Amino acid sequence: SQTIHQWPATLVQPVGSPLSLECTVEGTSNPNLYWYRQAAGRGLQLLFYSVGIGQISSEVPQNLSASRPQDRQFILSSKKLLLSDSGFYLCAWNNGANYGYTFGSGTRLTVV
Amino acid sequence: TQLLEQSPQFLSIQEGENLTVYCNSSSVFSSLQWYRQEPGEGPVLLVTVVTGGEVKKLKRLTFQFGDARKDSSLHITAAQTGDTGLYLCAGEVTGAGSYQLTFGKGTKLSVIP
Repeated sequence: SQTIHQWPATLVQPVGSPLSLECTVEGTSNPNLYWYRQAAGRGLQLLFYSVGIGQISSEVPQNLSASRPQDRQFILSSKKLLLSDSGFYLCAWNNGANYGYTFGSGTRLTVV
Repeated sequence: TQLLEQSPQFLSIQEGENLTVYCNSSSVFSSLQWYRQEPGEGPVLLVTVVTGGEVKKLKRLTFQFGDARKDSSLHITAAQTGDTGLYLCAGEVTGAGSYQLTFGKGTKLSVIP
């Protein structure tokens, strides 16, 4: 069966520090991968998506970047965090239209 | 940019009552998905509706896709405390080999015993 792992679950970082959040998927190959950010208990905003290794598309201009070094690994990064980067970050995957997304359990990032 | 409007934003009801949540857009979607999210967790897929006018039932939950594939509703019969959570609708568009979802802001449901 397919599983998705996302870590860490919570993270407190000072302003100006770097960031690296990792997401890995097991039990499937060539998934579409997504990074979303969710404001306090509300809707999700798509940040990045990837249809293959090394292929990254950005949806909004921001202080973050994403990379896909392996087929089932998706990484969200920042060189210098801003206060506005605080939020709940979710990784997700799917394998085709109409199949729905499977989400990871999320990372709560607080920038102080 | 596709926008999905969900209503109501907040809903507090007594156990045993019925409720309906709405999801509306001016855009046409290839599918409409509903998710339920618990605090501190990722959303979990409840259902995907694809065909205009489609109705799907999941125990006490009934999902309907509008004929024009622009809107959807979620009806819960005889709500239980376990139904409490954030309900998100999401419209899917296809392009460039990916299947991107646009999410509504959600309906926060509280079922009071």
